[in-house]
Amino acid sequence: KQEVTQIPAALSVPEGENLVLNCSFTDSAIYNLQWFRQDPGKGLTSLLLIQSSQREQTSGRLNASLDKSSGRSTLYIAASQPGDSATYLCAVSTGNQFYFGTGTSLTVIP
Amino acid sequence: GAVVSQHPSRVICKSGTSVKIECRSLDFQATTMFWYRQFPKQSLMLMATSNEGSKATYEQGVEKDKFLINHASLTLSTLTVTSAHPEDSSFYICSVGRGGTYEQYFGPGTRLTVT
Repeated sequence: KQEVTQIPAALSVPEGENLVLNCSFTDSAIYNLQWFRQDPGKGLTSLLLIQSSQREQTSGRLNASLDKSSGRSTLYIAASQPGDSATYLCAVSTGNQFYFGTGTSLTVIP
Repeated sequence: GAVVSQHPSRVICKSGTSVKIECRSLDFQATTMFWYRQFPKQSLMLMATSNEGSKATYEQGVEKDKFLINHASLTLSTLTVTSAHPEDSSFYICSVGRGGTYEQYFGPGTRLTVT
């Protein structure tokens, strides 16, 4: 069964820092990997989707990479802002099955 | 992306009653919808896969008689929590699957509190 792990579980950084969130998965047979943002008590906002054939995707200050063979993905956030504070979840798709990571709770201190 | 709505956003009910949560795909027809549950400070756990016109597929450990799922149309799936208990209090999120890219689009979630 696919297991998805995110490290660190929590992260606190001063505003302006660049940071990296990590996601690892045990079964490399995936269709895609998505990064989501979740604010407290809210639903999920999709940030980036990387298909299994892709190596990275970029959107604004966000860059996500995928190394399928090693079962790893990273989410890079440049020039962090207090508004980036949220929980970040990665999820892998194996077709109709979607497996979520445990999440990284990010706090950006003004 | 797809737009997915859920109703209600919050519901409080008494123990022993049933609660229905709706999930709607607003801008495309979805043959497959998914229901997740999220406990505080935990990740999302898939409960069941809802297939239009057929029975839902439940994950191991999820009671199908307690969590009734109906996917009667290509734009609507409902989750009914029957005989709710306080331990059913949770955040329930639905998603809509897009087959070609296997991408999922999530609803805003429903906070259920059972007193």
